[in-house]
Amino acid sequence: EVQLAQSGAEVRNPGATVRISCKVFGYTFTNYYMHWVRQAPGKGLEWVGLVDPGDGETRYAAKFQGRVTTSADTSTDTAYMEMRSLRSEDTAIYYCAIGPPGVELLTYWGPGTLVTVSS
Amino acid sequence: EIVLTQSPGTLSLSPGERATLSCRARQSVRDDYLAWYQQKPGQAPRLLIFGASGRATGIPDRFSGSGSGTDFTLTISRLEPEDFAVYHCQQYGTSPLTFGGGTKVEIK
Repeated sequence: EVQLAQSGAEVRNPGATVRISCKVFGYTFTNYYMHWVRQAPGKGLEWVGLVDPGDGETRYAAKFQGRVTTSADTSTDTAYMEMRSLRSEDTAIYYCAIGPPGVELLTYWGPGTLVTVSS
Repeated sequence: EIVLTQSPGTLSLSPGERATLSCRARQSVRDDYLAWYQQKPGQAPRLLIFGASGRATGIPDRFSGSGSGTDFTLTISRLEPEDFAVYHCQQYGTSPLTFGGGTKVEIK
């Protein structure tokens, strides 16, 4: 059974950095893209970026380019998303989600990690 | 990027009724790569439909997707109590993938 387990809630001050993780179970880690999607309180879904654990390729939404880094550790089957220069508008639930390579379809989702940015 | 507009914003219906949700794209979705997700309060989204009309594993056949090009529809033939939720459409034909704003299906 495919499972995605995300790290716990985080609270950061504006300007800080946060790194959240997503450990996977039940499938071959390198066979699927790992996406990151966020959802601000009461808002819709917003794609942040992806990493291909097979070769380390990354892609980001234009608004996050330069401020977000996605990565994958194949020794622990864990993906990471780091966001820098946090601002209050980054307060959201961040989901990891996997999808088949070559298409940006989100087949299975993690439970989400709440990131709160507040002074 | 491709902008998706979902309507209505909220749909108030009773159990047993038919729900029809719309997702409209500003430009054609390549290969009809349009997906629908269901999200219940406090939960992550769940894939329902891919490729405009394909049902994901384990999704009941009361859920159906249709449409092509710029106009897509999700239909729930007879609403069950567990179907009251928010539904998101997403296109994955052109990078970056984008989502619509969501339609909330609430109990009337």
